[in-house]
Amino acid sequence: DIQMTQSPSSLSASVGDRVTITCRASQSISSYLNWYQQKPGKVPNLLIYAASSLQSGVPSRFSGSGSGTDFTLTISSLQPEDFATYYCQQSYSTPWTFGQGTKVEIK
Amino acid sequence: QVQLVQSGAEVKKPGASVKVSCKASGYTFISYYMHWVRQAPGQGLEWMGIINPSSGSTSYAQRLQARLTVTRDTSTSTVYMDLSSLRSEDTAVYYCATSTISHAFDIWGQGTMVTVSS
Repeated sequence: DIQMTQSPSSLSASVGDRVTITCRASQSISSYLNWYQQKPGKVPNLLIYAASSLQSGVPSRFSGSGSGTDFTLTISSLQPEDFATYYCQQSYSTPWTFGQGTKVEIK
Repeated sequence: QVQLVQSGAEVKKPGASVKVSCKASGYTFISYYMHWVRQAPGQGLEWMGIINPSSGSTSYAQRLQARLTVTRDTSTSTVYMDLSSLRSEDTAVYYCATSTISHAFDIWGQGTMVTVSS
């Protein structure tokens, strides 16, 4: 199975901050990397697919980059509604494994 | 609109089985593979398995292989997840999800809470 490792596991940031979350795959996954946002008690929501494609309806302050084994999710200017947990996921091969999550909290 | 509607919450005793349904609407059922994902309380997301609704072929996470069965009924556009020999560690929210775009879960069911407790 492909292992996905996110860092950091949690972070504290202020509204307006630029936030970067990284995700590393245990082997090359080309660009088969997705990012999800999940708020407490809610269903995960797709933000970025294929490493850098913005899902319809997602604000442009979210962006993704990377290929191969190293990927990044960036929030250019953190908004109050962005405080949540973020997961990366590889869809290169089954099982479609997730990272352990990064919790973004208010500083 | 594309929608996945799951069955309601379940409470089961250890050793029992649970069957959760996921009814698809708003698209051609056989067009997109269906996946199952679960999330234990306070934990991350775990991919469980996948079914091709057209052929019925499946693939499961190795750690669940012996206890998990995913089936579909094309006449009702419904996918079923059956997990047997339940243990307390199976307490989780179970989601069905599908990918109508490039290998990503853009459509999710609302989730079904399964509680395993004696």
